[in-house]
Amino acid sequence: GAVVSQHPSWVICKSGTSVKIECRSLDFQATTMFWYRQFPKQSLMLMATSNEGSKATYEQGVEKDKFLINHASLTLSTLTVTSAHPEDSSFYICRLGVGETQYFGPGTRLLVL
Amino acid sequence: SQKIEQNSEALNIQEGKTATLTCNYTNYSPAYLQWYRQDPGRGPVFLLLIRENEKEKRKERLKVTFDTTLKQSLFHITASQPADSATYLCALDTGGSQGNLIFGKGTKLSVKP
Repeated sequence: GAVVSQHPSWVICKSGTSVKIECRSLDFQATTMFWYRQFPKQSLMLMATSNEGSKATYEQGVEKDKFLINHASLTLSTLTVTSAHPEDSSFYICRLGVGETQYFGPGTRLLVL
Repeated sequence: SQKIEQNSEALNIQEGKTATLTCNYTNYSPAYLQWYRQDPGRGPVFLLLIRENEKEKRKERLKVTFDTTLKQSLFHITASQPADSATYLCALDTGGSQGNLIFGKGTKLSVKP
Protein backbone atom coordinates (compact mmCIF):
# COMPACT_ATOMS: atom_id res chain seq x y z
CA GLY A 1 0.00 0.00 0.00
CA ALA A 2 0.89 3.66 -0.28
CA VAL A 3 3.37 4.91 2.27
CA VAL A 4 3.13 8.49 3.41
CA SER A 5 5.83 10.31 5.36
CA GLN A 6 5.80 13.63 7.15
CA HIS A 7 8.68 15.81 8.21
CA PRO A 8 9.37 16.88 10.83
CA SER A 9 7.65 14.50 13.22
CA TRP A 10 7.65 17.18 15.86
CA VAL A 11 8.67 20.80 16.10
CA ILE A 12 8.87 23.44 18.80
CA CYS A 13 9.00 27.05 17.75
CA LYS A 14 8.69 30.53 19.16
CA SER A 15 5.55 32.56 18.69
CA GLY A 16 5.69 34.62 15.51
CA THR A 17 7.91 32.27 13.54
CA SER A 18 6.89 30.19 10.54
CA VAL A 19 7.00 26.42 10.37
CA LYS A 20 6.96 24.26 7.24
CA ILE A 21 5.61 20.71 7.34
CA GLU A 22 6.22 18.32 4.46
CA CYS A 23 4.03 15.44 3.38
CA ARG A 24 5.52 12.96 0.94
CA SER A 25 3.98 10.07 -0.87
CA LEU A 26 6.71 7.47 -1.19
CA ASP A 27 5.19 5.13 -3.74
CA PHE A 28 2.11 6.78 -5.14
CA GLN A 29 1.53 9.86 -7.23
CA ALA A 30 -1.17 11.95 -5.64
CA THR A 31 -2.86 14.78 -7.44
CA THR A 32 -4.75 15.53 -4.26
CA MET A 33 -3.64 15.52 -0.65
CA PHE A 34 -5.62 16.55 2.39
CA TRP A 35 -4.38 18.37 5.48
CA TYR A 36 -5.96 17.81 8.88
CA ARG A 37 -5.48 19.23 12.34
CA GLN A 38 -6.26 17.31 15.50
CA PHE A 39 -6.47 18.76 19.01
CA PRO A 40 -6.31 16.46 22.05
CA LYS A 41 -9.38 14.26 22.39
CA GLN A 42 -10.92 15.86 19.31
CA SER A 43 -11.69 14.51 15.90
CA LEU A 44 -9.57 15.19 12.86
CA MET A 45 -10.63 18.47 11.29
CA LEU A 46 -10.05 18.95 7.59
CA MET A 47 -8.16 22.17 6.98
CA ALA A 48 -7.63 22.16 3.25
CA THR A 49 -7.40 20.11 0.11
CA SER A 50 -4.09 20.39 -1.68
CA ASN A 51 -4.22 20.11 -5.47
CA GLU A 52 -1.10 19.49 -7.53
CA GLY A 53 -0.35 22.43 -9.78
CA SER A 54 -3.21 24.60 -8.59
CA LYS A 55 -4.43 26.48 -5.56
CA ALA A 56 -5.50 24.68 -2.45
CA THR A 57 -9.12 24.63 -1.34
CA TYR A 58 -9.57 25.72 2.25
CA GLU A 59 -12.33 24.75 4.64
CA GLN A 60 -14.51 27.42 6.17
CA GLY A 61 -12.79 29.15 9.03
CA VAL A 62 -9.26 28.23 7.96
CA GLU A 63 -7.15 31.26 7.02
CA LYS A 64 -5.47 30.65 3.70
CA ASP A 65 -2.90 33.38 4.33
CA LYS A 66 -1.90 31.81 7.61
CA PHE A 67 -1.76 28.19 6.46
CA LEU A 68 0.06 28.23 3.15
CA ILE A 69 -0.16 25.08 1.09
CA ASN A 70 2.06 24.21 -1.83
CA HIS A 71 1.61 21.06 -3.89
CA ALA A 72 4.41 21.42 -6.38
CA SER A 73 4.76 17.79 -7.37
CA LEU A 74 2.73 14.60 -7.37
CA THR A 75 4.63 13.31 -4.36
CA LEU A 76 5.05 16.37 -2.16
CA SER A 77 2.71 18.79 -0.45
CA THR A 78 3.83 21.33 2.13
CA LEU A 79 1.91 23.19 4.80
CA THR A 80 3.48 26.33 6.21
CA VAL A 81 2.10 27.77 9.40
CA THR A 82 3.00 31.44 9.20
CA SER A 83 3.42 33.66 12.24
CA ALA A 84 2.58 30.75 14.50
CA HIS A 85 0.87 31.39 17.82
CA PRO A 86 0.34 29.09 20.82
CA GLU A 87 -3.22 28.35 19.68
CA ASP A 88 -1.76 26.80 16.53
CA SER A 89 -0.16 24.10 18.65
CA SER A 90 -1.71 20.89 17.42
CA PHE A 91 -1.15 17.60 15.60
CA TYR A 92 -1.07 18.11 11.83
CA ILE A 93 -1.70 15.11 9.59
CA CYS A 94 -1.81 14.72 5.83
CA ARG A 95 -3.82 12.17 3.89
CA LEU A 96 -3.87 10.87 0.38
CA GLY A 97 -6.20 8.43 -1.28
CA VAL A 98 -5.92 5.41 -3.44
CA GLY A 99 -9.46 4.85 -4.60
CA GLU A 100 -11.62 4.30 -1.55
CA THR A 101 -8.61 3.47 0.63
CA GLN A 102 -7.01 6.37 2.38
CA TYR A 103 -3.50 6.64 3.79
CA PHE A 104 -2.50 9.05 6.50
CA GLY A 105 0.92 10.38 7.30
CA PRO A 106 2.37 9.74 10.74
CA GLY A 107 1.61 13.31 11.80
CA THR A 108 3.60 16.33 12.92
CA ARG A 109 3.30 17.60 16.47
CA LEU A 110 3.67 21.39 16.59
CA LEU A 111 4.23 23.23 19.83
CA VAL A 112 4.34 27.01 19.71
CA LEU A 113 5.79 28.68 22.77
CA SER B 1 -25.16 20.14 9.56
CA GLN B 2 -23.64 16.72 9.21
CA LYS B 3 -22.93 15.13 12.52
CA ILE B 4 -21.07 11.98 13.43
CA GLU B 5 -20.95 10.64 16.96
CA GLN B 6 -19.05 7.88 18.62
CA ASN B 7 -21.03 7.39 21.76
CA SER B 8 -18.32 6.18 24.08
CA GLU B 9 -15.23 8.23 24.66
CA ALA B 10 -13.60 5.24 26.32
CA LEU B 11 -14.28 1.51 26.55
CA ASN B 12 -12.52 -0.88 28.92
CA ILE B 13 -12.82 -4.63 28.43
CA GLN B 14 -11.13 -7.82 29.50
CA GLU B 15 -8.82 -9.71 27.17
CA GLY B 16 -10.67 -12.35 25.18
CA LYS B 17 -13.98 -10.52 25.20
CA THR B 18 -15.63 -8.88 22.21
CA ALA B 19 -15.35 -5.11 21.99
CA THR B 20 -18.26 -3.30 20.34
CA LEU B 21 -17.92 0.32 19.31
CA THR B 22 -20.76 2.47 18.01
CA CYS B 23 -20.87 5.18 15.38
CA ASN B 24 -24.03 7.18 14.72
CA TYR B 25 -24.57 9.90 12.17
CA THR B 26 -27.25 12.39 11.22
CA ASN B 27 -28.21 14.57 8.31
CA TYR B 28 -26.38 12.60 5.70
CA SER B 29 -26.61 9.49 3.54
CA PRO B 30 -23.02 8.37 2.99
CA ALA B 31 -22.06 6.08 0.16
CA TYR B 32 -19.65 4.34 2.54
CA LEU B 33 -18.27 4.44 6.02
CA GLN B 34 -14.76 3.65 7.20
CA TRP B 35 -13.11 2.63 10.44
CA TYR B 36 -9.58 3.58 11.43
CA ARG B 37 -7.22 2.77 14.25
CA GLN B 38 -5.12 5.55 15.77
CA ASP B 39 -2.32 5.00 18.24
CA PRO B 40 -1.09 7.88 20.45
CA GLY B 41 0.98 10.39 18.50
CA ARG B 42 0.41 8.61 15.20
CA GLY B 43 -1.74 9.10 12.15
CA PRO B 44 -4.85 6.94 11.65
CA VAL B 45 -4.51 3.57 9.95
CA PHE B 46 -7.28 2.35 7.65
CA LEU B 47 -9.03 -0.83 8.82
CA LEU B 48 -12.28 -1.43 6.99
CA LEU B 49 -14.68 0.16 4.55
CA ILE B 50 -18.34 -0.76 4.29
CA ARG B 51 -20.64 0.49 1.54
CA GLU B 52 -24.24 1.58 1.94
CA ASN B 53 -25.53 -1.57 0.25
CA GLU B 54 -23.50 -3.85 2.51
CA LYS B 55 -24.87 -4.88 5.87
CA GLU B 56 -21.74 -6.53 7.22
CA LYS B 57 -18.08 -6.88 6.44
CA ARG B 58 -15.40 -8.95 8.15
CA LYS B 59 -11.61 -8.94 8.26
CA GLU B 60 -9.90 -11.43 10.53
CA ARG B 61 -11.13 -10.58 14.07
CA LEU B 62 -12.87 -7.42 12.94
CA LYS B 63 -16.51 -7.09 11.93
CA VAL B 64 -18.36 -3.98 10.83
CA THR B 65 -22.09 -3.57 10.34
CA PHE B 66 -23.87 -0.72 8.62
CA ASP B 67 -27.55 0.07 9.18
CA THR B 68 -28.58 2.95 6.94
CA THR B 69 -32.07 3.02 8.47
CA LEU B 70 -30.73 3.52 11.97
CA LYS B 71 -27.84 5.59 10.59
CA GLN B 72 -25.48 3.52 12.63
CA SER B 73 -22.37 1.40 12.26
CA LEU B 74 -21.08 -1.07 14.80
CA PHE B 75 -17.44 -2.13 14.95
CA HIS B 76 -16.61 -5.40 16.68
CA ILE B 77 -13.26 -6.85 17.71
CA THR B 78 -13.60 -10.47 18.75
CA ALA B 79 -11.16 -12.27 21.04
CA SER B 80 -9.70 -8.91 21.96
CA GLN B 81 -6.03 -8.61 22.92
CA PRO B 82 -4.09 -5.94 24.83
CA ALA B 83 -2.46 -5.05 21.50
CA ASP B 84 -5.88 -3.95 20.26
CA SER B 85 -5.79 -1.05 22.73
CA ALA B 86 -5.99 2.15 20.70
CA THR B 87 -8.43 4.83 19.63
CA TYR B 88 -10.83 3.79 16.91
CA LEU B 89 -12.31 6.38 14.57
CA CYS B 90 -15.24 6.13 12.24
CA ALA B 91 -15.38 8.30 9.16
CA LEU B 92 -18.13 9.12 6.69
CA ASP B 93 -17.73 9.77 3.04
CA THR B 94 -19.20 13.15 2.13
CA GLY B 95 -18.91 12.69 -1.58
CA GLY B 96 -16.55 14.31 -4.03
CA SER B 97 -14.13 12.76 -6.44
CA GLN B 98 -11.50 12.06 -3.81
CA GLY B 99 -13.82 11.01 -1.05
CA ASN B 100 -13.90 13.78 1.49
CA LEU B 101 -14.26 12.32 4.94
CA ILE B 102 -15.60 13.59 8.25
CA PHE B 103 -14.45 11.87 11.41
CA GLY B 104 -15.92 11.06 14.76
CA LYS B 105 -13.96 11.91 17.90
CA GLY B 106 -13.04 8.30 18.39
CA THR B 107 -13.44 5.71 21.12
CA LYS B 108 -10.39 4.83 23.19
CA LEU B 109 -10.36 1.09 23.72
CA SER B 110 -8.37 -0.44 26.55
CA VAL B 111 -8.06 -4.21 26.69
CA LYS B 112 -6.90 -5.46 30.08
CA PRO B 113 -4.89 -8.69 30.32
